Amino acid sequence: EIVMTQSPATLSVSPGEGATLSCRASQSVKNIVAWYHQKPGQAPRLLIYDTSTRAPGIPARFSGSGSGRDFTLTINSLQSEDIGVYYCQQYNDWPPTFGQGTKVEIK
Amino acid sequence: EVHLVESGGGLVEPGGSLRLSCATSGFDFSDAWMSWVRQAPGKGPEWVGLIKSKTYGETTDYTAPVMGRFTISRDDSRNTMFLQMNSLKIEDTGVYYCTRASGWAESWGQGTLVTVSS
Repeated sequence: EIVMTQSPATLSVSPGEGATLSCRASQSVKNIVAWYHQKPGQAPRLLIYDTSTRAPGIPARFSGSGSGRDFTLTINSLQSEDIGVYYCQQYNDWPPTFGQGTKVEIK
Repeated sequence: EVHLVESGGGLVEPGGSLRLSCATSGFDFSDAWMSWVRQAPGKGPEWVGLIKSKTYGETTDYTAPVMGRFTISRDDSRNTMFLQMNSLKIEDTGVYYCTRASGWAESWGQGTLVTVSS
């Protein structure tokens, strides 16, 4: 199965600053990547699918990019409600697989 | 508004069985591909399996760790999906989420906790 590796493991960001989260696939997944945000005690929430398409209701400060093996989630102007763990996921191949997560915290 | 509500989790001994349910509303369930995704304590999510809509024969796919032990089914008349889990192992412990998902998981339930322990 395809392994998704996220970096960094933890990211400390001041409010209003930007954050860049990375995700690398063990083999090409074309543009078939999604990103999720999970707050403690809650289910993950879809942010981005097909690498760069925002899900309904997701603010424009979230953007996705990449192709092949390397993907990026960018958060512009971090808000307090953005803390939590972010996961990338590929669905180009069965089974769909998630990365291990990047924890975003407020500096 | 889309709602997914899981039930049926609990404590079970290794080798035991559980049946999870996912009641849905707010979308055309009969036309949706649905999936189960689980999350072990402190770990990332892990796909369990998928069931396609009736149009696609209600075919199912499972991941290797659960193949032959878990069965996904659906009842379109009740807008409900099920996960029958047999021969449970300690490593099956986690929160089980019902998702509306064919590739990406666009909607999630709140999850139900399954604990496999003696």
